[in-house]
Amino acid sequence: DTEVTQTPKHLVMGMTNKKSLKCEQHMGHRAMYWYKQKAKKPPELMFVYSYEKLSINESVPSRFSPECPNSSLLNLHLHALQPEDSALYLCASSQGFRALSSYNSPLHFGNGTRLTVT
Amino acid sequence: EDKVVQSPLSLVVHEGDTVTLNCSYEVTNFRSLLWYKQEKKAPTFLFMLTSSGIEKKSGRLSSILDKKELFSILNITATQTGDSAIYLCAVNNDMRFGAGTRLTVKP
Repeated sequence: DTEVTQTPKHLVMGMTNKKSLKCEQHMGHRAMYWYKQKAKKPPELMFVYSYEKLSINESVPSRFSPECPNSSLLNLHLHALQPEDSALYLCASSQGFRALSSYNSPLHFGNGTRLTVT
Repeated sequence: EDKVVQSPLSLVVHEGDTVTLNCSYEVTNFRSLLWYKQEKKAPTFLFMLTSSGIEKKSGRLSSILDKKELFSILNITATQTGDSAIYLCAVNNDMRFGAGTRLTVKP
């Protein structure tokens, strides 16, 4: 078990559906991340939030919409996805991002949501 | 943009062998380099390196950083089948990972 909780563990959705992935951490971390991982590839950075503000958007299509309602929660809203968006979506947190406080701050990952788009 | 390059991309060894994995980087304002191991699900943290020449060690795993030549190595001695995994390297600037090294340890 990890200290970063992701729900759901598995999600199957059609291309016209709207769904959300959720991520929660209670370690007091101020930076949260979304990664996408395809089979046999490394995790690919999508978004970074620092102090609840979006710091990085890696040119992710608008059908993925992140939201950080507070420092413990991170959501990823999904709409009109394509089959090629099927992947493992990993959430992570760290003490800080691009700040001195992040100097000793590894990422803590959740176990991911396995998403299948049909 | 920051660049993290890992080599080799894939490695197959037998139990008991020693392996060396490499991570080279080009970043501005380097802070630290991190190694992770990923088996089936979430990557798990192995080491964070901030200073050149200081070896970090955990059991059969060890890692060292060379800030002059801009690389780090991860050594695994006396490999076991449980070491089979993808080993990922990231630089603590933008938290982007290299391509990873897929290690397979055969009995």
